[in-house]
Amino acid sequence: GESVGLHLPTLSVQEGDNSIINCAYSNSASDYFIWYKQESGKGPQFIIDIRSNMDKRQGQRVTVLLNKTVKHLSLQIAATQPGDSAVYFCAENNAGNMLTFGGGTRLMVKP
Amino acid sequence: NAGVMQNPRHLVRRRGQEARLRCSPVKGHSHVYWYRQLPEEGLKFMVYLQKENIIDESGMPKERFSAEFPKEGPSILRIQQVVRGDSAAYFCASSGGQGNTEAFFGQGTRLTVV
Repeated sequence: GESVGLHLPTLSVQEGDNSIINCAYSNSASDYFIWYKQESGKGPQFIIDIRSNMDKRQGQRVTVLLNKTVKHLSLQIAATQPGDSAVYFCAENNAGNMLTFGGGTRLMVKP
Repeated sequence: NAGVMQNPRHLVRRRGQEARLRCSPVKGHSHVYWYRQLPEEGLKFMVYLQKENIIDESGMPKERFSAEFPKEGPSILRIQQVVRGDSAAYFCASSGGQGNTEAFFGQGTRLTVV
């Protein structure tokens, strides 16, 4: 079946640096994508979303890029802070809001 | 997380017992989704419900698992005759409508089967 997956399981960055987390998806019909942050012992927290009619969307310190040609999604976090340490999931929103999650990338921020 | 309440937060059951997990969606939300997460893995869709209706249960095992979202009260995920492989975190999410609208997640119920 089609799925969403990530390239890197763990990403370690220095505080203040920018972070880039990548995600590949295989369902070319997908038209809505979401990035979630999950801290230990907590539920996924919505970060930012993007629809397939866009290539880029910016939030506060975060940017999501969508490349439909190669079916690739990325999350950029500017000036990474210790509070950004968490597992990040990309998710593909299917019909009816059912989400297909990728395997997750653990972001570790070194002070 | 915009108010999705799940309880209990932690649940320990012996093999063969029943587990009942509760989810109260965000006030006004009529769409509820249950997901299961194993350690170090992503969440896997189980079931999608609207008030009094199961819309999609394609991710839920056919045996021992059931879900409901009654007209009044929380959504319930029920696991009968639990086995050790059922140990996982179970998350509930709710949204206000079908389509590309944001889903809010609860804090999850961590089920441990001993």
